[in-house]
Amino acid sequence: QSVVTQPPSASGTPGQRVTISCSGRNSNIGSNPVHWYQQLPGTAPKLLIYINDQRPSGVPDRFSGSQSGTSASLAISGLQFDDEADYYCATWDDSLSALVFGGGTKLTVL
Amino acid sequence: EVHLVESGGGLVQPGGSLRLSCAASGFTLNTYSMYWVRQAPGKGLEWVSSFSGSGYIYYLGSVKGRFTVSRDLATNTLYLQMDSLRPEDTGTYYCAKAGGLAILRNNWIGPWGQGTLVTVSS
Repeated sequence: QSVVTQPPSASGTPGQRVTISCSGRNSNIGSNPVHWYQQLPGTAPKLLIYINDQRPSGVPDRFSGSQSGTSASLAISGLQFDDEADYYCATWDDSLSALVFGGGTKLTVL
Repeated sequence: EVHLVESGGGLVQPGGSLRLSCAASGFTLNTYSMYWVRQAPGKGLEWVSSFSGSGYIYYLGSVKGRFTVSRDLATNTLYLQMDSLRPEDTGTYYCAKAGGLAILRNNWIGPWGQGTLVTVSS
């Protein structure tokens, strides 16, 4: 049972905009920045968004992040078939002194 | 360019030990925090340990007392010594580097290694 929760699945059609939520507590998302990772099938995870809304170089601006209170979200606009992957949010939890990952959201492009 | 290469995974019986290695290049281990993250087959990501550049180490509760992280600055290699292994420790273990120079609670995981598979089974 993750202390940070994500919906297990999300879906959309090419060109659509989808959002993935990440819900936590005061001790984690409410106090520390949230980061997002994309894991394509059979590969290692890759950084997608850091410190709530920052994009590393090379990540398309179709990907955006936001954070408010004890929740965060990842938005993907102009959905493409290549976006089909698992997406994870992560943040530090001050009560656990641990990095916590959300359970992951499997994105399907229909 | 940053490269992280894990090795040392394999099949081990419950109660046994394994030592994973992560050879790092393109940066020095005493500058950046490092992470071990694992993923059970078909499951999500689970943080195992963080090793700050200044030497502070944090562990997942279920591995505390069984796993030990260390580093060799001469060879720029990070290690994960895993003792008293359990079937639930089975998974792919990733070594990863912090994306920035911030303290752990504000930092993020940047580059990841390719992972090494650990299977604990009799």
